[in-house]
Amino acid sequence: DIVMTQSPDSLAVSLGERATINCKSSRSVLYSSNKKNSLAWYQQKPGQPPKLLIYWASTRESGVPDRFSGSGSGTDFTLTISSLQAEDVAVYYCQQYYSSPFTFGPGTEVDIK
Amino acid sequence: QVQLQESGPGLVKPSQTLSLTCTVSGGSISSGGYYWSWIRQHPGGGLEWIGYIYYSGSTNYNPSLKSRLTISVDTSKNQFSLKLSSVTAADTAVYYCASQIITVGGAGYFNYWGQGTLATVSS
Repeated sequence: DIVMTQSPDSLAVSLGERATINCKSSRSVLYSSNKKNSLAWYQQKPGQPPKLLIYWASTRESGVPDRFSGSGSGTDFTLTISSLQAEDVAVYYCQQYYSSPFTFGPGTEVDIK
Repeated sequence: QVQLQESGPGLVKPSQTLSLTCTVSGGSISSGGYYWSWIRQHPGGGLEWIGYIYYSGSTNYNPSLKSRLTISVDTSKNQFSLKLSSVTAADTAVYYCASQIITVGGAGYFNYWGQGTLATVSS
């Protein structure tokens, strides 16, 4: 199985400031056939299911604000919230879909400082 | 827009079978383009992919649950279902159904999720 790790476990950022979350996979998730990374990011607010934010490591899902961006390749990835808003308080998960079983990171909790 | 809704008993006794159904609306489960997945979230927060089914009936299960797991599909009702046997307290979790988009590489990301249903294993 591909093991996903995230750092930090939690972070508190002032409104309007940048939040950065890191995700690492135990093996590369880069597809050789299309040169894309099989990595997704989700946002989960209390009492709600996860919501897809980013796929292919850097493609924003339709309707997701452009303050959310994803980057990275191979085994190291980053989710950046460029200007934190109050509604961004949530837990963020990365997930690999390179190989089955599909696995998630443990989550990073983002809060307001 | 595709919507998914889980249903099933919220309380299951140890050693019994957990049965859940996911009803899909806003699109046909037979249209192709998606695998139909189950994912669970334990009280501690971690997300675990359980398995998926294609409308044709082909399945892929997480090896950690494979010996106890059956996922089936009923295209006439636009539903798919999960049965997990011999449950223990460790199976207590919120169970989500989700659509898993099919990409060039195979199964991909989860783009639509149900609201989730809490299944508690307790006597």
